Amino acid sequence: DAGVIQSPRHEVTEMGQEVTLRCKPISGHNSLFWYRQTMMRGLELLIYFNNNVPIDDSGMPEDRFSAKMPNASFSTLKIQPSEPRDSAVYFCASRKTGFPYEQYFGPGTRLTVT
Amino acid sequence: DAKTTQPTSMDCAEGRAANLPCNHSTISGNEYVYWYRQIHSQGPQYIIHGLKNNETNEMASLIITEDRKSSTLILPHATLRDTAVYYCIADSSNYGGSQGNLIFGKGTKLSVKP
Repeated sequence: DAGVIQSPRHEVTEMGQEVTLRCKPISGHNSLFWYRQTMMRGLELLIYFNNNVPIDDSGMPEDRFSAKMPNASFSTLKIQPSEPRDSAVYFCASRKTGFPYEQYFGPGTRLTVT
Repeated sequence: DAKTTQPTSMDCAEGRAANLPCNHSTISGNEYVYWYRQIHSQGPQYIIHGLKNNETNEMASLIITEDRKSSTLILPHATLRDTAVYYCIADSSNYGGSQGNLIFGKGTKLSVKP
């Protein structure tokens, strides 16, 4: 299995631009998670989906952030407009329903907003 | 989910056992203890989990005290590649509780030295 795939791996953009991060979960996994990691705040859960349905988006910082999962094999996290404080590493993770319950993380997207 | 407490950092000599402690004094009966690690610039990686009994897999061993208020992750023969941040998490996913939205703390930064 290829594992969780994220693209792009690195993104540099200017303040005010729209940014779209992409994730392909492991085939057969029913749940998908988006995390953000910064030095100051550590690893934070932004949103997660079960069977393509958003379950908890309480971690999404602002209305500038939105996430979609149109099908079981693809999800996007969009920031519009982007701001310098959005600079972070964004991780996508997936897991399957049923035992065992561990999450599998992708390699992350390093976002820099100038 | 119960709060966990870990030392900020630890050192270990290469080839020796690394014992990483975790306190979870408020853990409830249906919460499992999960361990993940994050090697620099990579996504977190699942290591092991347990409920009551000690567990062992190809990566590590997990020792949980009888009262379940603390646990120790053991890397039997640490190598330089085990240098990472190790996270201990109490989660009730196995009972369908938290749906798997893991709460990552600061973790323990383990440095394996030659």
